[in-house]
Amino acid sequence: NAGVMQNPRHLVRRRGQEARLRCSPMKGHSHVYWYRQLPEEGLKFMVYLQKENIIDESGMPKERFSAEFPKEGPSILRIQQVVRGDSAAYFCASSPPVQAYNEQFFGPGTRLTVL
Amino acid sequence: GIQVEQSPPDLILQEGANSTLRCNFSDSVNNLQWFHQNPWGQLINLFYIPSGTKQNGRLSATTVATERYSLLYISSSQTTDSGVYFCAVGPNFGNEKLTFGTGTRLTIIP
Repeated sequence: NAGVMQNPRHLVRRRGQEARLRCSPMKGHSHVYWYRQLPEEGLKFMVYLQKENIIDESGMPKERFSAEFPKEGPSILRIQQVVRGDSAAYFCASSPPVQAYNEQFFGPGTRLTVL
Repeated sequence: GIQVEQSPPDLILQEGANSTLRCNFSDSVNNLQWFHQNPWGQLINLFYIPSGTKQNGRLSATTVATERYSLLYISSSQTTDSGVYFCAVGPNFGNEKLTFGTGTRLTIIP
């Protein structure tokens, strides 16, 4: 039973480049969440997606950040024109499609470093 | 939005000691989870406990939803218990995002 998978685990980008982070949810899970953890801080919610739908993007910066969860394939978090302040660990979580049980399971994270 | 406070922020204990970590939250919740973030940054699910009491080996947790707090107990601490413990809550009805506390950093000394 594979858990939540994220790749790459580490990503280095220069200022102005694009970063693409991928997340494959656990088998049978249809809800995906992205969180960001800045150094020495807790995790902050960014976006919640179901297949082909963004449900809640209230935590996503309005510019440069976008997320998708296509019908086929992994969820993608895309950061355009990265800046040093984007350096953080980005975690993806998934949960099953059962309203009464919504435990979230987290992937290992992608550590983004912007030079 | 919902507020989550954890205490204490830091805890240093000798191996073998017991500890209690607390999580207070400001509103009704339908999801409460405890996580351990190990020194390598990995988030490990400890408990899904929106109410009641659960035990798993040396760890146990209790959530008193009506009084808006949860406790995580660690008994007979081991050095591998070191890391940051996060409480995270999801609001009662509506969207399902988790709001995380600022964590308790636990250091177990051999």
